[in-house]
Amino acid sequence: GAGVSQSPSNKVTEKGKDVELRCDPISGHTALYWYRQSLGQGLEFLIYFQGNSAPDKSGLPSDRFSAERTGGSVSTLTIQRTQQEDSAVYLCASSLGWANEKLFFGSGTQLSVL
Amino acid sequence: GENVEQHPSTLSVQEGDSAVIKCTYSDSASNYFPWYKQELGKRPQLIIDIRSNVGEKKDQRIAVTLNKTAKHFSLHITETQPEDSAVYFCAARGGGAGSYQLTFGKGTKLSVIP
Repeated sequence: GAGVSQSPSNKVTEKGKDVELRCDPISGHTALYWYRQSLGQGLEFLIYFQGNSAPDKSGLPSDRFSAERTGGSVSTLTIQRTQQEDSAVYLCASSLGWANEKLFFGSGTQLSVL
Repeated sequence: GENVEQHPSTLSVQEGDSAVIKCTYSDSASNYFPWYKQELGKRPQLIIDIRSNVGEKKDQRIAVTLNKTAKHFSLHITETQPEDSAVYFCAARGGGAGSYQLTFGKGTKLSVIP
């Protein structure tokens, strides 16, 4: 596609529910990143994929968070049993490869946990 | 891991004046330092970057300087315009084998007053 696409753009959920956030990277980009942006905070690294593999999952805040990537393309970030502190903007970015540093960001998913 | 500190958190300047944002990093092996601009409600976009083998880089009204010894780098915007108003994020990427993670600062909200 023309850019990194994320869906939904907004998600309101009740505490305790599971949510799935989707990222469709730029075609041909092998590296994919998830970041979380809380109000007034920087971009917190969550996880990185090179192809379908996630070399480092240590950025995930808790075991309620998981992510997968299939076919070297679309990625899904899943948050189980959501908590209010999970409320944030979840940004996805892609790059040509891990050695190609320029990240192209999606517009993000604004998650609100009530 | 890498730690990036960014100052100031907010900055107001008169149109036409210069703006300077400063960042420090902790990992002496870091070798790549990008700056991203995020306009209100939009995705972060790369505006300029610098690698550790270069001390300064310019692109029209923006420039970045790097002091490896002191482990700090700065963004300089000259002749500021209202459209420069945004949140600016600095970042650093570690230099270790397989390093891929960009660590971001918490951002500087720049307001250019007409």
